[in-house]
Amino acid sequence: DTGVSQDPRHKITKRGQNVTFRCDPISEHNRLYWYRQTLGQGPEFLTYFQNEAQLEKSRLLSDRFSAERPKGSFSTLEIQRTEQGDSAMYLCASTRPLTLGQGLGGSGNTIYFGEGSWLTVV
Amino acid sequence: AQSVSQHNHHVILSEAASLELGCNYSYGGTVNLFWYVQYPGQHLQLLLKYFSGDPLVKGIKGFEAEFIKSKFSFNLRKPSVQWSDTAEYFCAVNEETSGTYKYIFGTGTRLKVLA
Repeated sequence: DTGVSQDPRHKITKRGQNVTFRCDPISEHNRLYWYRQTLGQGPEFLTYFQNEAQLEKSRLLSDRFSAERPKGSFSTLEIQRTEQGDSAMYLCASTRPLTLGQGLGGSGNTIYFGEGSWLTVV
Repeated sequence: AQSVSQHNHHVILSEAASLELGCNYSYGGTVNLFWYVQYPGQHLQLLLKYFSGDPLVKGIKGFEAEFIKSKFSFNLRKPSVQWSDTAEYFCAVNEETSGTYKYIFGTGTRLKVLA
């Protein structure tokens, strides 16, 4: 595995600007997650995809946030009209398809995280 | 709503001391449980996980965790910590039967081991 790759690693932007983060999951992982982490907190779930379908979005994901995974491979997370409160680490994670014998909910897989993209809004 | 609680936010230990970090979750159904570790400047890595079977699971670097269903707990332990265990530790839970695939994390415990 080459690991989950995120780009850019660091982004400083002025309030009101738009930013986009990219995530390349581990090859053949069909589920892809976005999380947000601030200092002193654990990763907070934002959204996840199974292949190209966005199956769930957190209430944390306001209208200014949009995520896509057009071909079921890489994903982008865009934040429009950034605010200072958006400053955080944005984490991407992925997990492989189910194999025979796994749980009904298909939830028994380990998720693998990328190194994250730090966003600072000034 | 499903939640994960880690009651120890900061722990400071001397090398060779024993470690136990608490983790409690709120969901009453079938769950999968994880401990992740984040070393300074590195990404989150899996320490160990529980899906089914023996409630005492062993992970990397001498860590283990015990799933106690009646207490909704999944505490992390290590008999003798090392300076290199200094890191932040996160407990996570994933529901088995709700049809959702999301993983919920606790707020983390920052461990500092003094040499």
